[in-house]
Amino acid sequence: QQPVQSPQAVILREGEDAVINCSSSKALYSVHWYRQKHGEAPVFLMILLKGGEQKGHEKISASFNEKKQQSSLYLTASQLSYSGTYFCGTERNSGGYQKVTFGIGTKLQVIP
Amino acid sequence: EPEVTQTPSHQVTQMGQEVILRCVPISNHLYFYWYRQILGQKVEFLVSFYNNEISEKSEIFDDQFSVERPDGSNFTLKIRSTKLEDSAMYFCASSNSGISTDTQYFGPGTRLTVL
Repeated sequence: QQPVQSPQAVILREGEDAVINCSSSKALYSVHWYRQKHGEAPVFLMILLKGGEQKGHEKISASFNEKKQQSSLYLTASQLSYSGTYFCGTERNSGGYQKVTFGIGTKLQVIP
Repeated sequence: EPEVTQTPSHQVTQMGQEVILRCVPISNHLYFYWYRQILGQKVEFLVSFYNNEISEKSEIFDDQFSVERPDGSNFTLKIRSTKLEDSAMYFCASSNSGISTDTQYFGPGTRLTVL
């Protein structure tokens, strides 16, 4: 079952912050975040594995609340290069091979 | 930096024809994946492959689809008899291991157009 992302789309001015949410109705083992620019392949941002884990890369960070089956991606002081579609992918099993189910994506546009 | 490559970048085919999409994963990676993205929609998992076997597949991956690693470097996706609804961007990905903490690296994709 695919995760639900919100919002579907957001427009920011440079320097503004945004939060993208990803939730599942089923228990999750891991959450993967990717960004895809138009006409390009998805690019890995981060994986969150443990409940309550937070990770960050420069001004993009994420949290994973295992109990709530939710993850949030935080974009701080957005830059024009942040524009793209952000996908969360979820994985339910800890054993076996990776099978990531992606959400429908959140389109983010950063304008000057 | 090593990267996943895919060929061709765009393929146009007639309905009912067979197509083979090719991927060269990162050389020391052992796990390989195919995903599909219909225009404007989400990325959908098709299949994962390890040790010359399919390890997971989705309900999309029916008998019309097959995967193969014909040699030590290529990983292919074959669609036997293409349908209009197979038109999509197909992404290949690879990872060093198949565990949840490992990153999947995506190729640039092949756009398949079925007429």
